[in-house]
Parts: sequence; structure tokens; C-alpha cells
Amino acid sequence: DSGVTQTPKHLITATGQRVTLRCSPRSGDLSVYWYQQSLDQGLQFLIQYYNGEERAKGNILERFSAQQFPDLHSELNLSSLELGDSALYFCASSVQQGRQETQYFGPGTRLLVL
Amino acid sequence: GNSVTQMEGPVTLSEEAFLTINCTYTATGYPSLFWYVQYPGEGLQLLLKATKADDKGSNKGFEATYRKETTSFHLEKGSVQVSDSAVYFCALSGLISSGSARQLTFGSGTQLTVLP
Repeated sequence: DSGVTQTPKHLITATGQRVTLRCSPRSGDLSVYWYQQSLDQGLQFLIQYYNGEERAKGNILERFSAQQFPDLHSELNLSSLELGDSALYFCASSVQQGRQETQYFGPGTRLLVL
Repeated sequence: GNSVTQMEGPVTLSEEAFLTINCTYTATGYPSLFWYVQYPGEGLQLLLKATKADDKGSNKGFEATYRKETTSFHLEKGSVQVSDSAVYFCALSGLISSGSARQLTFGSGTQLTVLP
């Protein structure tokens, strides 16, 4: 158990809908990262937050957004969902330790868009 | 930019066989290197890591050495077990070109199946 929790574990929804994925980082970790894992694209970095502020952006679509709250949990919002958004979404957290930073991953949310 | 090239799978071995999964990287600066493992239906678990050249990461019988001269971080295990069947991802943590933030870049993953 990495100490990172994600809810829900599974999500089934329809095209055009909007969903929110939630992540709670390990105790003491200030950074939260979101990743998408799909069969055709592999593991892709989406976005990073550090202590409530956006820190870095990867291949995140404009239909997707995220935020990190004062209690450090984070939410990833996916809107106008398309079939191709079906994937596993992981969040990871870390204590920022410069070059020696290690990210610990949650169990993921499996999203199926029908 | 940063990239990780990982041995194509799937890899099928008999129990107690020797395992090598090759991983090479391209990065600016001095990245940290990682192996993560994903068991069926689960998330990514950190297997081992190395933060500087010549460091050897090890865990659960797996080892990998950070080789700067060959930009490699090959994963090895002397005697695999059925329970090692999983997908293995090589990754590097390096600077994003736009600033001081670091980003994990993953290889494509290697599916390992160990037969009894």
C-alpha cells in the first residue's frame, strides 16, 4: 500500500458527460501528479500540483482540468467525455526532494466511456 | 526532451530463469531512474530506484545499475518466480524544459509472464 488513495475505483459513464476523480496524497506529501494510462498512448503525464498551485502541465486536454485543495487532496475533472478518454487514471504524490524525488502511485481509477 | 526506450515484450520465462529487461534513456542533466511494477488489476508500485551514476537499486531480488556511460538502467533478477508476473516500467525523473519542475517519463512497459 503506497498510502495514496483514489476514488472511485471504477467509473462507467456516457459520451458528453462530466466526471470527477479524487486523489488523497500520502501524509506529508505536497505534490500531486495525474497520469493517464491507455493501451495506445501508454503512461502519460497530465498535470502536477504543488501545495495548491499548478506546477507543470503535460499532455492534458483542454476538456480536462484539475485542482489541489488546502487539505492537499486533488481532483481531476474530465468533461465532454469521448470514447477515447476511456483509460486508467493514476495519481501520484511525492515530497519534493529535488533530484531525489520519488513518486508513489495510487491504485488508479478505471474510466469507461460508453 | 527526455525519453525512455524499453525492451519490447512480452517476455515469457520458466520459474527460476534469469531475467533481464533492457532500458535505455535520453535526458538532459542528471535524471533519477526508476523501475515500477504493475501487477494485474493494480496500480504502479515502486520496485527500485537509483539517483546517480553507478548507483545500484535493489529490492525483492531485482537489481538495476545506473550506467551513465551507456545511458542504461537494465533490470535483472537471478531467479524469477511465478509471482513476478507483471508489467515492468522503466522511468526517469528529469527536468521539464520550461522550468525547475521534474517530470516522470515512462517507457512503454514490458509484460513478464513466468510459467511454473
